[in-house]
Amino acid sequence: QSALTQPPSASGSPGQSVTISCTGTRSDVGGYNYVSWYQQHPGKAPKLMIYGVSKRPSGVPDRFSGSKSGNTASLTVSGLQAEDEADYYCSSYAGSNNFVVFGGGTKLTVL
Amino acid sequence: EVQLVETGGALIQPGGSLRLSCAASGFTVSSNYMSWVRQAPGKGLEWVSVFYTSGSTYYADSVKGRFTISRDNSKNTVYLQMNSLRAEDTAVYYCARDSDYAFDCWGQGTLVTVSS
Repeated sequence: QSALTQPPSASGSPGQSVTISCTGTRSDVGGYNYVSWYQQHPGKAPKLMIYGVSKRPSGVPDRFSGSKSGNTASLTVSGLQAEDEADYYCSSYAGSNNFVVFGGGTKLTVL
Repeated sequence: EVQLVETGGALIQPGGSLRLSCAASGFTVSSNYMSWVRQAPGKGLEWVSVFYTSGSTYYADSVKGRFTISRDNSKNTVYLQMNSLRAEDTAVYYCARDSDYAFDCWGQGTLVTVSS
């Protein structure tokens, strides 16, 4: 069982927006501004899409945005494109002993 | 170009040992937190271990006492020594560079299969 809770699936049509949630506790998501989001295509390594709750690494389209409220973080993908279809994982710093915890992943389908 | 290349994955019997290597290029491992993250077949990501720049190391409870992370600055390489391997350790093991608790660079992964 993953430390952070994500919906197993999400979907949207091209051009639409979709939001994926990531729920933790005060010991991880709610306690630190170190939430990250990763995109993983089948057979590939994960790719960092969002870090520090809402920051985008260089090269990541601004269609991807992140936010946090209390113990729940969210990833929003706007203007869905076919290539956005992938698994998305959230993670959060959880203190020096647990270091980083992940969500179980959300499979995003572009209809 | 910043790159990580993992090697060492194999089919190993339960109770056996294996050492994974992660060679870095384009940056210095000693100046970064370096982690191992694994992914069991069809499952999600699980953080395994981290090597801090200070030399401190931390482990997930699931591998504590069995796995050891180390670093060779002269080779710019991070290692994961895995002992007393179990079937549940079967996974693709990724090496990743940590920047503010976000993994911004990943290797291609190496598969470890624990089976008799």
